[in-house]
Amino acid sequence: DAGVIQSPRHEVTEMGQEVTLRCKPISGHDYLFWYRQTMMRGLELLIYFNNNVPIDDSGMPEDRFSAKMPNASFSTLKIQPSEPRDSAVYFCASSARGSAYNEQFFGPGTRLTVL
Amino acid sequence: AQSVTQLDSHVSVSEGTPVLLRCNYSSSYSPSLFWYVQHPNKGLQLLLKYTSAATLVKGINGFEAEFKKSETSFHLTKPSAHMSDAAEYFCVVSRYSSASKIIFGSGTRLSIRP
Repeated sequence: DAGVIQSPRHEVTEMGQEVTLRCKPISGHDYLFWYRQTMMRGLELLIYFNNNVPIDDSGMPEDRFSAKMPNASFSTLKIQPSEPRDSAVYFCASSARGSAYNEQFFGPGTRLTVL
Repeated sequence: AQSVTQLDSHVSVSEGTPVLLRCNYSSSYSPSLFWYVQHPNKGLQLLLKYTSAATLVKGINGFEAEFKKSETSFHLTKPSAHMSDAAEYFCVVSRYSSASKIIFGSGTRLSIRP
């Protein structure tokens, strides 16, 4: 298995632009998580899905952020409009309900810079 | 409710000396416990996980962690540090047999002196 795949790996955009981050979880995993990592706030859970349904989005910072999971193999995190304070590394992770220990497998991350 | 506390934000050791990264947790349920490692500009990688079968857990790259229920601790150790161990380490707690959101510690940055 290729692991969790994220794209793009790096994104530089200007304030006010729409940004879309993409994630492909490991095949067969039915949980998908979006995290944001910054120096100031560390690793924050933004939202997670179970079987493509959003379960907890309490970590989504503002209405400018939205996430979708149209099918089991694809998810997007969208920021519209983007702001400089959104600059961070965004990680996607997936896990399998069948695993009693529910370890999460992380993608390589997308480094977002908003100018 | 669950929480996890990493007692040191930064640990610095000399190459070849032992490593100890401390983690305390609280959980209302039987916990699953993990250590993840993040090398600079990389994603997080699972280092080891606690299973109820054994309190001493062996992970990759010579790391170990011991689950101590009485002390609610899950400290990470390695007998001899290597330069390649320099990274950020995260202690994580979740509810056993419940694949929902997990709680990350704030991280410990490990530096290795030559």
